[in-house]
Amino acid sequence: QVQLQESGPGLVKPSQTLSLTCTVSGGSISSGGYYWSWIRQHPGKGLEWIGYIYYSGSTYYNPSLKSRVTISVDTSKNQFSLKLSSVTAADTAVYYCARDASQFGGGFDYWGQGTLVTVSS
Amino acid sequence: EIVMTQSPATLSVSPGERATLSCRASQSVSSNLAWYQQKPGQAPRLLIYGASTRATGIPARFSGSGSGTEFTLTISSLQSEDFAVYYCQQYNNWPLFGGGTKVEIK
Repeated sequence: QVQLQESGPGLVKPSQTLSLTCTVSGGSISSGGYYWSWIRQHPGKGLEWIGYIYYSGSTYYNPSLKSRVTISVDTSKNQFSLKLSSVTAADTAVYYCARDASQFGGGFDYWGQGTLVTVSS
Repeated sequence: EIVMTQSPATLSVSPGERATLSCRASQSVSSNLAWYQQKPGQAPRLLIYGASTRATGIPARFSGSGSGTEFTLTISSLQSEDFAVYYCQQYNNWPLFGGGTKVEIK
């Protein structure tokens, strides 16, 4: 059973960089075929895909966030990470990591539990 | 840019009744559509992918249909655990979610 777990600071100051890590267990990021995504959900709102990474390091980002987002992967630790720069209060959200199975039919089939990140001074 | 529109925003249904949720894409996404269920404080759970294929472990009362721009999620007989928010998501292009439909107890 694949499991994902987000970790990182729950409070970030405006203009700083939000950094989160997702640790994958029960399966290897390097096994291929899956994209590893970050998705966020503003309080009481819908879901917004941020971007994804393949084990090879190839990335694809939501065009609306592309200028501020960096996603990286560390296959030796079976982790992938998100950096979102120049944050504002509008970046306050629950951040999820998830496995994208689109090459096998589609959908985000495994999710982390989510972590709330608040942007405030 | 594709826009995903779900309707209705809220659906009031009695337990045991049938629920029909709609999702419309502003342009064709073929069958590259998934449905999720989300309960308060939890991550979304994949129900349907490929517009009509149930994900592993999903009960048969959940079914999906449609292709192109019009999609439907049907819950044949609502159980107490089915009251939640449901999202559609297209993956024909970069992933994009609809705004959600809340299924509440009537």
